[in-house]
Amino acid sequence: AQSVTQLGSHVSVSEGALVLLRCNYSSSVPPYLFWYVQYPNQGLQLLLKYTSAATLVKGINGFEAEFKKSETSFHLTKPSAHMSDAAEYFCAVSDMGNTPLVFGKGTRLSVIA
Amino acid sequence: EAGVVQSPRYKIIEKKQPVAFWCNPISGHNTLYWYLQNLGQGPELLIRYENEEAVDDSQLPKDRFSAERLKGVDSTLKIQPAELGDSAVYLCASSLEFGVTGELFFGEGSRLTVL
Repeated sequence: AQSVTQLGSHVSVSEGALVLLRCNYSSSVPPYLFWYVQYPNQGLQLLLKYTSAATLVKGINGFEAEFKKSETSFHLTKPSAHMSDAAEYFCAVSDMGNTPLVFGKGTRLSVIA
Repeated sequence: EAGVVQSPRYKIIEKKQPVAFWCNPISGHNTLYWYLQNLGQGPELLIRYENEEAVDDSQLPKDRFSAERLKGVDSTLKIQPAELGDSAVYLCASSLEFGVTGELFFGEGSRLTVL
């Protein structure tokens, strides 16, 4: 069964610094991979997705992620953190879209002024 | 276009009481999901509907949880009786078709507190 592991339950960065949130996946078939963001007391919003096209995926709010099959990774990055980026971020995987999304435990991003 | 709508947003009940959550998916979305999100955890699938048919309910605790999706649109998730461990956020999501893009659209969730 597919699964994702998010390294670090809490990441803290300074405003303007690089954001790097780590996600490693396990899947027996080519995966579809997703990053969602959840602001306090809100539902999840899609940031970006990988569905077997370009390995570097650009999403909303300046975020991007790179699919690396050799490392089974799909890390999320943003060159310069903004205060409004503070939220919970979830990585999720589906087996080629044929199985429901399986989510990681999430990483809480704090941005320090 | 309206997003996924859930109600109530917050519910506080005493243990052994029943509770129900309602979800209205995005218009035209055939697939509807109920996810459970415990504090500090990622969402976990409870049940998936394709139109009005429950096609994946293997993670739904059927002794106390039930769900329905009449007419393939709105859905209700019920817990009876509620236990302390049911305190969590219940998220509803919908997608246009299962397995096409995989993208889910989520509602804001219903936060349940069982005292």
